[in-house]
Amino acid sequence: EIVLTQSPGTLSLSSGERATLSCRASQSVINSYLAWYQQKPGQAPRLLIYGASNRATGIPDRFSGSGSGTDFTLTISRLEPEDFAVYYCHQYGSSPPYTFGQGTKLEIK
Amino acid sequence: EVQLVQSGAEVKKPGESLKISCKGSGFTFASTWIAWVRQKPGKGLEWMGIIYPDDSDTRYSPSFQGQVTMSVDKSTSTANLQWTSLKASDSAMYYCARRVWFGELGGGFDVWGQGTTVTVSS
Repeated sequence: EIVLTQSPGTLSLSSGERATLSCRASQSVINSYLAWYQQKPGQAPRLLIYGASNRATGIPDRFSGSGSGTDFTLTISRLEPEDFAVYYCHQYGSSPPYTFGQGTKLEIK
Repeated sequence: EVQLVQSGAEVKKPGESLKISCKGSGFTFASTWIAWVRQKPGKGLEWMGIIYPDDSDTRYSPSFQGQVTMSVDKSTSTANLQWTSLKASDSAMYYCARRVWFGELGGGFDVWGQGTTVTVSS
């Protein structure tokens, strides 16, 4: 089973700043089958990025993903107030189970 | 509109059985993988497993294998998650989600149900 470790656990930033979230896998993620999700309180998760770097439908271009192998990054170029939420990475590259990271909480500084 | 609508909140006692559901509409349900994800209060997302409605091919996370059963009813475009004997530790929010696939680019879970809260308490 691939274990995903996200860092930092909590990130405190202000609107307009740049956010960089990390996701490290315990072994290489096949085909970079790594997705990122955003979850706000009381809501279901929302798909942001798939295949490590492809934005899902309707996702603003301030969100970008990068990485391959075992190291992946989600970058939010200029934080908007609605971006403060919890972010999860998720791998689906090998045989199940398709694991999630433990999450990074992005909070307002 | 593409959507997944889940059954309502449940309150059960330890040892009781339960089946919750997830009804899809607006897309070809039979040829779309449907996943189940657990989220305990204040905690992260846990991938439970995934099922392909057309042939009921099911892949479970080892953590949930033998603890739950996933099934589908193609005639009603409904996926189900069931327990035969609930434990207090099963108390959580359960989400179903549709997997979208873009070939070599991979995919993800692009449509989610609203979640079903399961509370198990004596």
